[in-house]
Amino acid sequence: DAKTTQPNSMESNEEEPVHLPCNHSTISGTDYIHWYRQLPSQGPEYVIHGLTSNVNNRMASLAIAEDRKSSTLILHRATLRDAAVYYCILRGPYNQGGKLIFGQGTELSVKP
Amino acid sequence: DGGITQSPKYLFRKEGQNVTLSCEQNLNHDAMYWYRQDPGQGLRLIYYSQIVNDFQKGDIAEGYSVSREKKESFPLTVTSAQKNPTAFYLCASRSGGYNEQFFGPGTRLTVL
Repeated sequence: DAKTTQPNSMESNEEEPVHLPCNHSTISGTDYIHWYRQLPSQGPEYVIHGLTSNVNNRMASLAIAEDRKSSTLILHRATLRDAAVYYCILRGPYNQGGKLIFGQGTELSVKP
Repeated sequence: DGGITQSPKYLFRKEGQNVTLSCEQNLNHDAMYWYRQDPGQGLRLIYYSQIVNDFQKGDIAEGYSVSREKKESFPLTVTSAQKNPTAFYLCASRSGGYNEQFFGPGTRLTVL
């Protein structure tokens, strides 16, 4: 399975943009890039996913490098509620059962 | 409201006893998953099921068993063969294709 590399932790100030990087140099052509986040003592929640093009939704934006070997999750205005562990995950083809392989993620702290 | 429920939230058991963790979903999702999370770590896949009466082992299935007799339910039994059962257990479901997984609130199991 292709692997992702993320910084262990990042800090941000409230109401400022946050760019969370993810490296995935061994990504295959059929791997989707998924982002989930986990608040303390809760289950993870889906944030966004993409294949090749940049994606936007109400929570965040996902910028994918042209060679697909890296991606960046962008939170446009961080709030205190965005403090969480953010996981960048590669999702393989459907015939793998939709499994998600979690790394250790990036712990984001947001300062008021 | 549609969602995933896990019960109980906290569970204590004596060493050597089997215990079953409940996971129910009313999202009409075909696929369901069980993950384990240890402190400071990402999630690891225990078992998953893509359809009723069928399931596959994940990365750490030893010492665990599951059943999928109904679409809505995917209980996990932690047996006495599991050497380090104290952990946070998370259940998830997915509708299909490349759709996201929805997670339950988790059960924190402590073996005394």
